[in-house]
Amino acid sequence: GAVVSQHPSWVICKSGTSVKIECRSLDFQATTMFWYRQFPKQSLMLMATSNEGSKATYEQGVEKDKFLINHASLTLSTLTVTSAHPEDSSFYICSAAGTGSPYSYNEQFFGPGTRLTVL
Amino acid sequence: QKEVEQNSGPLSVPEGAIASLNCTYSDRGSQSFFWYRQYSGKSPELIMFIYSNGDKEDGRFTAQLNKASQYVSLLIRDSQPSDSATYLCAVNLSGYSTLTFGKGTMLLVSP
Repeated sequence: GAVVSQHPSWVICKSGTSVKIECRSLDFQATTMFWYRQFPKQSLMLMATSNEGSKATYEQGVEKDKFLINHASLTLSTLTVTSAHPEDSSFYICSAAGTGSPYSYNEQFFGPGTRLTVL
Repeated sequence: QKEVEQNSGPLSVPEGAIASLNCTYSDRGSQSFFWYRQYSGKSPELIMFIYSNGDKEDGRFTAQLNKASQYVSLLIRDSQPSDSATYLCAVNLSGYSTLTFGKGTMLLVSP
C-alpha cells in the first residue's frame, strides 16, 4: 500500500498556543486528504476533507476557524489547531486517497497519527 | 443517515482458530468496502477491500460481501496473537471520496 507520513508524532503545548501537523503522501499523489480525530477507546471521527487547491469541507460540529486545513500540493496537507485547549487533546490522524490506477476504489491510507496534549 | 454497524466485542479466539468479523451497512448505494486493522495507540492499516459480491482472499484473510443482505465480513484463518487488534469496517458510496467507519470489533487471540 501507499505510504503516508505525519509530523510530529507527538506534541505537548500550552493552552492558547497553535500547533501545526503535517501530512505527506510519500509515494503517490493524493488528490484528497482527510483529517480524523480519535479520543481514547472511541471510534475515528472525520473532521474534514480537503482536495488539493481548494478549501476543505468540514464535518458538522467541527470549527473551521479553529482547525485550519491547507492542502497546497498533491503530497502535503497541514492541520493547524489554533488556540489549543485541553479539550483538544486527542490523537489526530490524516489519511490520503489517490485516484486512478492502482488506487481506484477510494482506498484511504493512514498516516501514523499525531498525539496532541494541551496542558 | 449512513450507518455501519459492528459488534464491539471483544471476540476471543484461540491461536490457530478462524476469527469471523461481521459488519452491516444501511446504505444500499454503497460500492466499496474496506477492512482496516488498528492496534492500540496506532493508526488504522488497510488490510483489504472488496467491491463485488462473493469472496476475496489475500493470504490468511478472506473478505466476503453480500450486497443483497448488506453485510460484509472478514475471516482470519490460523489466527495469531499478533492479530489481536481492533478491526474497522468502512464503506464508501459511489461518487464520494469519504468513508463511513464502523466503531470496530476488538479481536483477542489467545496463545
